[in-house]
Amino acid sequence: NAGVTQTPKFRVLKTGQSMTLLCAQDMNHEYMYWYRQDPGMGLRLIHYSVGEGTTAKGEVPDGYNVSRLKKQNFLLGLESAAPSQTSVYFCASSIFTGQPQHFGDGTRLSIL
Amino acid sequence: AQKVTQAQTEISVVEKEDVTLDCVYETRDTTYYLFWYKQPPSGELVFLIRRNSFDEQNEISGRYSWNFQKSTSSFNFTITASQVVDSAVYFCALSEPDTGNQFYFGTGTSLTVIP
Repeated sequence: NAGVTQTPKFRVLKTGQSMTLLCAQDMNHEYMYWYRQDPGMGLRLIHYSVGEGTTAKGEVPDGYNVSRLKKQNFLLGLESAAPSQTSVYFCASSIFTGQPQHFGDGTRLSIL
Repeated sequence: AQKVTQAQTEISVVEKEDVTLDCVYETRDTTYYLFWYKQPPSGELVFLIRRNSFDEQNEISGRYSWNFQKSTSSFNFTITASQVVDSAVYFCALSEPDTGNQFYFGTGTSLTVIP
């Protein structure tokens, strides 16, 4: 099993560019999450989804959009990247609420 | 206000010492879940334990043990006879399924075990 796969692993963007991060899970999990990890801040929830076709805002949603058109995929979009969005992004999934989250390996994103 | 507080930012211990990582949480829900995750230097996040709000039994798994006390809203993690491989950042997390299904992570405790 691949578990949770994030694409790409590294990316450098210029301010104002757009991009989409892809998260794919093969465990048939209902719940999926996007986090960002910054030094000293822990993991902060950006957006999450409780099932195919649903999305909800987390703690730090501004500047990001998400979509969950298929149960196994959860996309995170940056429409106009800003240097403040330089971070490591983690995707996670869980079978349903209250269950452990399985994490991808992270995407290191730098915005110049 | 922080939902999950890990007041210890960094801890250093000498190998074979015991160490306790503190976690204090805040919630008004009666049903909630608490977790500990480990993030070694390689960067991946590894699930260690899950505890629901109705189960206050302490748990031991090898050199790891967890102390859950609802009276003090704490879920502390102890490593006995620490080893160099325990060096990592440890995160405590809270899930509130009745109020939005969000997960809240603490800011983490960086543990360094000195050989």
